[in-house]
Amino acid sequence: DIQMTQSPSSLSASIGDRVTITCRASHDISNSLAWYQQRPGGVPTLLIYDASTLYSGVPSRFSGSGSGTDFTLIISHLQPEDVATYYCQKYNLSPLTFGPGTKVEVK
Amino acid sequence: QVQLVESGGGVVQPGKSLRLSCEASGFTFSHYGMHWVRQAPGKGLEWVAVVSYDGSNKHYADSVKGRFTISKDYSKNIVFLQMDSLRGEDTAVYYCARPLKTGYFRYGLDVWGQGTTVTVSS
Repeated sequence: DIQMTQSPSSLSASIGDRVTITCRASHDISNSLAWYQQRPGGVPTLLIYDASTLYSGVPSRFSGSGSGTDFTLIISHLQPEDVATYYCQKYNLSPLTFGPGTKVEVK
Repeated sequence: QVQLVESGGGVVQPGKSLRLSCEASGFTFSHYGMHWVRQAPGKGLEWVAVVSYDGSNKHYADSVKGRFTISKDYSKNIVFLQMDSLRGEDTAVYYCARPLKTGYFRYGLDVWGQGTTVTVSS
């Protein structure tokens, strides 16, 4: 099975900062990757699919890029409401494995 | 509006069974595959199982294969997760979720339920 890793596992940034989260697949998954946000105590919500397509209603400060094995989620200007854990998930083949998550906090 | 509502969680002893339900509304249930995803206390998301829109394809995580069964009731718009031979490590919040696109059971998940909690303990 393809393994998914994320880095960093956690980060602390200031409001307005640019935040970068990376996700790596152990084998080529083309662009079959989604990013989710899970706020504390909340349900996961879809941010990005097909590696770089912004889901409807998601603020434009979120962007995704990458293909193959290396992917990136960027928050261009961190806002207080972005405090959350972010997960990548691959969906090219079953199992639809999630990454371990990246916890984003505000300084 | 599009909605998923899970039920059936509870406290169960190791080795016992439990059946989770997820009632769908606001969309054409027969056009979508459906997933179960779980989250153990303080841990990350773990994908559990998927059933295709027509029920012809079912896939499971290795951790539940042979113990859990996913199914759909098209007459009631419900997806089930039958969980047998439960273990302590199955303790989690269980979410059902729907893929963004019809006909693609492997896709990003854009609709999630609120989750139902399963605790396996003696």
